[in-house]
Amino acid sequence: KAGVTQTPRYLIKTRGQQVTLSCSPISGHRSVSWYQQTPGQGLQFLFEYFSETQRNKGNFPGRFSGRQFSNSRSEMNVSTLELGDSALYLCASSLTRPSQETQYFGPGTRLLVL
Amino acid sequence: GENVEQHPSTLSVQEGDSAVIKCTYSDSASNYFPWYKQELGKGPQLIIDIRSNVGEKKDQRIAVTLNKTAKHFSLHITETQPEDSAVYFCAANPKGGNTGKLIFGQGTTLQVKP
Repeated sequence: KAGVTQTPRYLIKTRGQQVTLSCSPISGHRSVSWYQQTPGQGLQFLFEYFSETQRNKGNFPGRFSGRQFSNSRSEMNVSTLELGDSALYLCASSLTRPSQETQYFGPGTRLLVL
Repeated sequence: GENVEQHPSTLSVQEGDSAVIKCTYSDSASNYFPWYKQELGKGPQLIIDIRSNVGEKKDQRIAVTLNKTAKHFSLHITETQPEDSAVYFCAANPKGGNTGKLIFGQGTTLQVKP
């Protein structure tokens, strides 16, 4: 069974631009969660999608948004990029309940904002 | 608030020795405690998890213990090998999983010297 895939793997943007990251979950998984990982703040929860609906949200500004498609693939978007948005963005998929069952992480998208 | 503290931040052991990483959580409603291993350039991978109705769980060289009263849980790795070198994260689910997210510790960098 293929794992979680994320594209692109690396991205360089400048301040003020916007970016879209993509995540394909494991086949059959309906929940997709997104995390931001930085050396200073560690792994922080962004949001979780289930059946095309945002079910849970972390404490991030509205510049961070996402969506999920009918095939469970998910995208996240960051608008008006700031230097502090430089991070590794991780996507994780699970069957239905990400905070009660195994989450499988992708390799991440490393975003650098200049 | 929701918080998971992890210690130590770095740990260096000789091959064959044991390694112990400790975590403390703040929300007494948490009932799922996974441990993840993250190797360089990869996303976190679940290595073991424990639920609040169990005090200890083992899987070959890895074991996790949970003390609900003290709100702390620990990862034990015996007979360490160089391939165990990685960053380890503990996590807990606040509000018993009703938020759909995991709160992660800051991570422990484990170095196993051959």
